[in-house]
Amino acid sequence: DVKVTQSSRYLVKRTGEKVFLECVQDMDHENMFWYRQDPGLGLRLIYFSYDVKMKEKGDIPEGYSVSREKKERFSLILESASTNQTSMYLCASSLPAGSASSYEQYFGPGTRLTVT
Amino acid sequence: AQTVTQSQPEMSVQEAETVTLSCTYDTSESNYYLFWYKQPPSRQMILVIRQEAYKQQNATENRFSVNFQKAAKSFSLKISDSQLGDTAMYFCAFMKAGDYKLSFGAGTTVTVRA
Repeated sequence: DVKVTQSSRYLVKRTGEKVFLECVQDMDHENMFWYRQDPGLGLRLIYFSYDVKMKEKGDIPEGYSVSREKKERFSLILESASTNQTSMYLCASSLPAGSASSYEQYFGPGTRLTVT
Repeated sequence: AQTVTQSQPEMSVQEAETVTLSCTYDTSESNYYLFWYKQPPSRQMILVIRQEAYKQQNATENRFSVNFQKAAKSFSLKISDSQLGDTAMYFCAFMKAGDYKLSFGAGTTVTVRA
């Protein structure tokens, strides 16, 4: 079974702090994603990566950056956390487009981040 | 950008009964996939069922089935013989064929009552 893990389930940070959210997958997937989940808004894509050191902006990249130095690991960085970044953050991974079952994304358990 | 709309924020159903969740979407694409994902309380989101737009036959996975109406851009999920373990938030999602990005609806929270 695919396993996607995230470094923390709950995180509390102060405004202005630099925050790192880590995600690791064990199935050698090329694609990795970071979403934020907010009530009434569903999941919105922040960034995704289709290969090591490759990244593309999603729908809401402002205030975030990402890093992918190894295939299995995808980090989301909040350079200067703000209260409007309080949210649930979900990581996901998938096979590249065109692969069998590439449509399915496998999700981590989520990190609930509170910025005070 | 694709828009996915789930108009029912919450639904409640008695155990063993049937519940139907609605989803509509807006796209100019002719080839795409539609999905229902399930997010149980405090647990990871998992794929429940998918539908390819070029297939006329509605997808079925055990007690879960969809009603795909391409012309109406409608994609509803029916959960039959509801079980307590079906309690979760359900998300409808869209993906263009050949792409890898998902567009999600706002979600519907389903509560199954004993």
